[in-house]
Amino acid sequence: EVQLLASGGGLVQPGGSLRLSCAASGFTFRNYAMSWVRQAPGKGLEWVSSISVGGDTTHYADSVKGRFTISRDDSKYILSLQMSSLRADDTAIYYCSPRGPSGFYFDYWGQGALVTVSS
Amino acid sequence: ETVMTQSPTTLSVSPGERATLSCRASQSISTNLAWYQQKPGQVPRLLIYGASTGATGIPARFRGSGSGTEFTLTISSLQSEDFVVYYCQQYYNWPLTFGGGTKVEI
Repeated sequence: EVQLLASGGGLVQPGGSLRLSCAASGFTFRNYAMSWVRQAPGKGLEWVSSISVGGDTTHYADSVKGRFTISRDDSKYILSLQMSSLRADDTAIYYCSPRGPSGFYFDYWGQGALVTVSS
Repeated sequence: ETVMTQSPTTLSVSPGERATLSCRASQSISTNLAWYQQKPGQVPRLLIYGASTGATGIPARFRGSGSGTEFTLTISSLQSEDFVVYYCQQYYNWPLTFGGGTKVEI
C-alpha cells in the first residue's frame, strides 16, 4: 500500500522559512519522479514543484521559483521542500505525490501538511 | 503557461441525471489530461488520466473524452456521493496546471 506522510508544517511568520518532508512507502521511491501540490483553504489545486528520478531535474511554479527548493533522499525514501521568504499566499495544505505511470498526474495523495503564514 | 478553464463553475443537476463537465486548454495538450474528484475534507482522487482512461477502482459512470484543447467529463447517472468538486489538470508541458474546478450540486 502506497503511503505518503507529510510533516514539517506549522505556523510561520511572513518572511520566514520552513522545511516540509514527505516519507514515502509502499513503492520503489527511487524509480519515481515526485511532486508537491498545494491547496489554499477553500481554493483549488496548485502544482508547486517536481523532481525527476535521480534528482537532476527540477521544475517550479513561477509563484515559488527562487524561494522553494525541492530535493529527495532516495536512501531514506524522503521528499523535501525547503520553503523560504514565505508569504501569506503560501498558506495551504501541501501534498506530495509520485508521478503516474504515463505522465505527471497524481494517483496517490497523502494527507498533506498544513502551512500557515501569518503574523 | 497552459491555462486550463473549467465550465461551468457550478453545475446544478438532480440525482440520476447526467452531468457534463468541460475543461478547455489554452493550447493543445494532446490527451495529457487528468480529472480529479474532491469531497469535502478529503484529498483529491484521480478519476481519469490520458483524457479517457479510468483510474483503478473508478466506477464506469465516470467517462472522460476529448483531445487537443477540449475535454469533457461525463457522469452518466449521478449518485449522492458525486455531488462534490471536480478538477482537470494538464501534464503536457511545464508548468503543470489545474483548472479552477467545477462544483456539482443538487
